[in-house]
Amino acid sequence: DVKVTQSSRYLVKRTGEKVFLECVQDMDHENMFWYRQDPGLGLRLIYFSYDVKMKEKGDIPEGYSVSREKKERFSLILESASTNQTSMYLCASSLGGGPTEAFFGQGTRLTVV
Amino acid sequence: AQRVTQPEKLLSVFKGAPVELKCNYSYSGSPELFWYVQYSRQRLQLLLRHISRESIKGFTADLNKGETSFHLKKPFAQEEDSAMYYCALENQGGKLIFGQGTELSVKP
Repeated sequence: DVKVTQSSRYLVKRTGEKVFLECVQDMDHENMFWYRQDPGLGLRLIYFSYDVKMKEKGDIPEGYSVSREKKERFSLILESASTNQTSMYLCASSLGGGPTEAFFGQGTRLTVV
Repeated sequence: AQRVTQPEKLLSVFKGAPVELKCNYSYSGSPELFWYVQYSRQRLQLLLRHISRESIKGFTADLNKGETSFHLKKPFAQEEDSAMYYCALENQGGKLIFGQGTELSVKP
């Protein structure tokens, strides 16, 4: 079974803090994704990585950055957390090289106070 | 621009009734389309993909390139179908874009 594991299930941070969300997959997938999930807005893509150290902006990259130093790990960084970044964050991975199934993590519920 | 639109936020039907969840897309290339489902307190997971042309849990979806649609259908809804459904498009670079989601509620 493919496993996509996000480091935290729930996180509470203060405004202005630098926040790291970690995601690890164990199936040697090429592609990894970070989304935020908000009611009525669906899943919005923040960043996409198609290889180590390669990344592409999604629809809402402002206020976020990412790091992929190793194939299995994809980190989402909130440089200076703000209350409007309170959300559910989902990480996913897929094999790549064609239309393949994406596997999702359990999600991190981030609250910025 | 690549976009996926699901016009209905909530769809409520009675058990045994037919269901159709709408999905329209905007993409200049040849799209790869998927339906994902999220049951209560579970991870988002793949339901079906257009390239497989299969029926999963009684659900089917047909790609209509003329209408740029990929609607999800089931002839007889069951209570266990209640969930959040997302339509998704994968572009040729592997980027996966989702719609806003439709919450399906099947009442007894």
